[in-house]
Amino acid sequence: DAGITQSPRYKITETGRQVTLMCHQTWSHSYMFWYRQDLGHGLRLIYYSAAADITDKGEVPDGYVVSRSKTENFPLTLESATRSQTSVYFCASSETDYTQYFGPGTRLTVL
Amino acid sequence: AQKVTQAQTEISVVEKEDVTLDCVYETRDTTYYLFWYKQPPSGELVFLIRRNSFDEQNEISGRYSWNFQKSTSSFNFTITASQVVDSAVYFCALSEAVDSNYQLIWGAGTKLIIKP
Repeated sequence: DAGITQSPRYKITETGRQVTLMCHQTWSHSYMFWYRQDLGHGLRLIYYSAAADITDKGEVPDGYVVSRSKTENFPLTLESATRSQTSVYFCASSETDYTQYFGPGTRLTVL
Repeated sequence: AQKVTQAQTEISVVEKEDVTLDCVYETRDTTYYLFWYKQPPSGELVFLIRRNSFDEQNEISGRYSWNFQKSTSSFNFTITASQVVDSAVYFCALSEAVDSNYQLIWGAGTKLIIKP
């Protein structure tokens, strides 16, 4: 039972490059979420999705793009990475009991 | 407006001491859910407990216990006989049942340090 996985776990990229972070869940949960976690800011919601092909902005969506063509996948793309997007990114999924289950996180460094 | 406050930024205790982490929330909804998550130094976020607003019974799970009091809008977490492995950042969170899109409102977290 894989649960929720994220790839890559670590990524170093350069300013201006496009980066895609992958998130895959095996539970068929309807809801999926992307957060970033920075020191001093806690967890901040970037985007969320209520179902395949339904996505919406969270608290800090600028510079990010998401898609959800299949229920189990929710990729997050940084179209043109900036240093301020250096962070740890967490993906989570949830079903009707409101509990969010998190992936292991991706540590992204933008040089 | 909904809000979760964890006033204790960092707590440090010696192993085997009891420790309580405070969580105060604000919501206008009558139906809502409260959560605690643990983030150990390894970085993953681990779900600990979920309570709904209609269930004020305290919960005990081993050395962990949770005290939910609607009258004071608090959902406090106590670790009895703390151990070094309890060292982590603990987050309290709130989800409202209406119009929340299942989003969680997060507290800032409390860093718990257990000294051997």
